[in-house]
Amino acid sequence: EVQLLESGGALVQPGGSLRLSCAASGFTFSNFAINWVRQTPGKGLGWVSGISGSGGITYYADSVKGRFIISRDNSKNTLYLQMSSLRAEDTAIYYCAKDVQWAPRGFDYWGQGTLVTVSS
Amino acid sequence: SYDLTQPPSVSVSPGQTANITCSGDNLGEKYAFWYQQKPGQSPVVVIYQNTTRPSGIPERFSGSNSGNTATLTISGTQAMDEADYYCQAWDSSTVIFGGGTKLTVL
Repeated sequence: EVQLLESGGALVQPGGSLRLSCAASGFTFSNFAINWVRQTPGKGLGWVSGISGSGGITYYADSVKGRFIISRDNSKNTLYLQMSSLRAEDTAIYYCAKDVQWAPRGFDYWGQGTLVTVSS
Repeated sequence: SYDLTQPPSVSVSPGQTANITCSGDNLGEKYAFWYQQKPGQSPVVVIYQNTTRPSGIPERFSGSNSGNTATLTISGTQAMDEADYYCQAWDSSTVIFGGGTKLTVL
């Protein structure tokens, strides 16, 4: 059974930093791209970032480029999102989502999400 | 930038067919994915790569994608299908989501 378990969400001040993690199980982790998708409560879905199965190629939404870094440790089956220079508009539930192939295309499994709140 | 447009809301009577559209330039040349999200839950894929229904998703869910429009069709809609539905595609190294459609089963 595929499982994705996010952690690391917290209340952080504007300008601060935070690292999210996503622990995966139930599939061959290195064979698939993994993505971060966020959702402001009551609003729609917004893609944040994706990383290829090998970790060699990364992709970012313009809104987070230069502030967020996605990475993965295939030996630990874990995905990360290092977030810096956080803004109020980054407040959201952050989901990790497994892709259907080695590079981002679309998602077949989602985690339960972790809440990031950026506020003073 | 590439945009996907969905109607904000669709209403359907129980047992009837619901069609939820997703429009984008030459969307038919891309793969479309559809996700269902119920309140307080994570999204669940109901159709991937235009027409494929994952195991565990009822047969009443189907998808098509041609020209500028992808369509999610729910035949014999049930009350449990009431949810938000999002389309999604990949373009120019970016994942794009539609704005979402709230399906109401009256």
